[in-house]
Amino acid sequence: GESVGLHLPTLSVQEGDNSIINCAYSNSASDYFIWYKQESGKGPQFIIDIRSNMDKRQGQRVTVLLNKTVKHLSLQIAATQPGDSAVYFCAENGEYGGSQGNLIFGKGTKLSVKP
Amino acid sequence: DTGVSQNPRHKITKRGQNVTFRCDPISEHNRLYWYRQTLGQGPEFLTYFQNEAQLEKSRLLSDRFSAERPKGSFSTLEIQRTEQGDSAMYLCASSSPGQGMYEQYFGPGTRLTVT
Repeated sequence: GESVGLHLPTLSVQEGDNSIINCAYSNSASDYFIWYKQESGKGPQFIIDIRSNMDKRQGQRVTVLLNKTVKHLSLQIAATQPGDSAVYFCAENGEYGGSQGNLIFGKGTKLSVKP
Repeated sequence: DTGVSQNPRHKITKRGQNVTFRCDPISEHNRLYWYRQTLGQGPEFLTYFQNEAQLEKSRLLSDRFSAERPKGSFSTLEIQRTEQGDSAMYLCASSSPGQGMYEQYFGPGTRLTVT
């Protein structure tokens, strides 16, 4: 994909507010989408997933929305906490539309939560 | 801790040297993945094993890279004749057949610096 170097899109929110992180995906054949959270010095951590036959899925404090028409994915975090500060990646299943398990990750958004 | 483990956590090597990384997946996870992540970017898929069989390799995986999973448990990733462009975080992930191949659990990564 296109390189953006070291610059990550950033989102700064006040503790307690809701956060919305957006992602545009590229492959119309993708049928599975995931959000990962990556804290500094750690590997990505699974947050929530959604299949292409759904347009919304809710977890604990998180909601993922999928708009297949415009190939857009969003992650909503309710009542954002300082522990939510991290880089968030969306991922879609690979170019073969689900055959083998490789994930294609987006560029990431850095979420900063102000106390 | 029963998560994915990776060793070493950091490796500094001189250009032209060979390096080998190890990944121990979550017990009973039959699928194992290697990804590479450079600063500011999302992880990029390298290769994938189901049990001991290597089922998919990315075009990113040059001939200098080789991965094995001889007994279907731990895996090694070897890079021969390292180049400065190989400097990155190498991430391993595993998944369980019961959870679906895309719910991947990542290890903390091995950070490689080639001088």
